[in-house]
Amino acid sequence: DTAVSQTPKYLVTQMGNDKSIKCEQNLGHDTMYWYKQDSKKFLKIMFSYNNKELIINETVPNRFSPKSPDKAHLNLHINSLELGDSAVYFCASSQMGQGSFSYGYTFGSGTRLTVV
Amino acid sequence: AQSVTQPDIHITVSEGASLELRCNYSYGATPYLFWYVQSPGQGLQLLLKYFSGDTLVQGIKGFEAEFKRSQSSFNLRKPSVHWSDAAEYFCAVGGSTGFQKLVFGTGTRLLVSP
Repeated sequence: DTAVSQTPKYLVTQMGNDKSIKCEQNLGHDTMYWYKQDSKKFLKIMFSYNNKELIINETVPNRFSPKSPDKAHLNLHINSLELGDSAVYFCASSQMGQGSFSYGYTFGSGTRLTVV
Repeated sequence: AQSVTQPDIHITVSEGASLELRCNYSYGATPYLFWYVQSPGQGLQLLLKYFSGDTLVQGIKGFEAEFKRSQSSFNLRKPSVHWSDAAEYFCAVGGSTGFQKLVFGTGTRLLVSP
């Protein structure tokens, strides 16, 4: 019944490894997002996909690559992990409403990534 | 581009006392405004949102917020705080047209003392 689900919830890995985080939403929304929350709790958008098309791509290292196989799924793959990538990554979804995609976001519970 | 300022990093309130968390936004057109709450180790839960109409909006858990265009503010209030309200509170602003992202403030941590 979870509206936006992310896996895994926790991820501990060594520097240099490649890892993926998966996100799925069952709300029928057409837009999905990845946000990064740093150690100071600051939330910053990374990517957004609308109907599998990339629409927002903030200044994020090329090591981060989102993939959206369909509009219910948005995965985040990270290559060559660095210590500074340690953070909580949140997936979110929304549906165009009243002419805007910021009409209302539903967030997943987050993936805590720790790079050692 | 839109931005949000939450001037208070921490606020401590006694249980049963009233609460007001401040939020100021910057956006050139009509904003969409939100308050989210994040409990420790949890995701973000929507408390309330403002799109248009009545400038006083009611949310879940007894929270309300008032949109004041002249002050570019959207402050969150609760008349009587419960210990379970201790959490991180985020104000966010989104654009009212097109592919607009939601931009968050830096958050305010609410501590509730007995």
